[in-house]
Amino acid sequence: DIQMTQSPSSLSASVGDRVTITCRASQNINIYLNWYQQKPGKAPKVLIYGASTLESRVPSRFSGSGSGTDFTLTINSLQPEDFATYYCQQGYTTPYSFGQGTKLEIK
Amino acid sequence: EAQLVESGGGLEQPGGSLRLSCAASGFIFSSFEMNWVRQAPGKGLEWVSYISSSGSSIYYSDSVKGRFTISRDNAKNSLYLQMNSLRAEDTAVYYCARVGLIASRPLDCWGQGTLVTVSS
Repeated sequence: DIQMTQSPSSLSASVGDRVTITCRASQNINIYLNWYQQKPGKAPKVLIYGASTLESRVPSRFSGSGSGTDFTLTINSLQPEDFATYYCQQGYTTPYSFGQGTKLEIK
Repeated sequence: EAQLVESGGGLEQPGGSLRLSCAASGFIFSSFEMNWVRQAPGKGLEWVSYISSSGSSIYYSDSVKGRFTISRDNAKNSLYLQMNSLRAEDTAVYYCARVGLIASRPLDCWGQGTLVTVSS
């Protein structure tokens, strides 16, 4: 099975900051990597698919990069609504594993 | 607009059974692969099961294999998860999620979730 490891597990930042979350796969997953945002009590929402393609209606301050085993999610100019938990997930093969999540909190 | 609505959660004793349902609307259900994903209280997301658009391909996580059964009825636009031999560690919010028609298989539409609590 493919293990997905995110870092950091939690992150404190201020409005206007730029933050980067990393996700590492235990084996090559090409670009079959998706990023999700989840707010408390809500279902996750896809932000980025195929490692770098922004889902429709997602603000352009979100971006993704990477291929193979190493991926990053970058949020430029953090907005108050961005404070949430972020997950990566590989869609390369079953089980379609998720990272453990990164909780982004307001400093 | 695509929508998924789960139902069937509740309190069940260890060893018991529950059947979750997911009603789809606003899209051609029979064209999409589907997943179940769960989230234990205060924990991260855990992929549970996958079913192809026709129902011919099915996969499970090791944690539920042999106890849970995923199925679908395309005529009724519905997805199901039969959960048997429930354990305390199955306690979670269960989400059904649609697989987008993209190579990386993003889960592009989620239900609101249904809470399953396994406790005596």
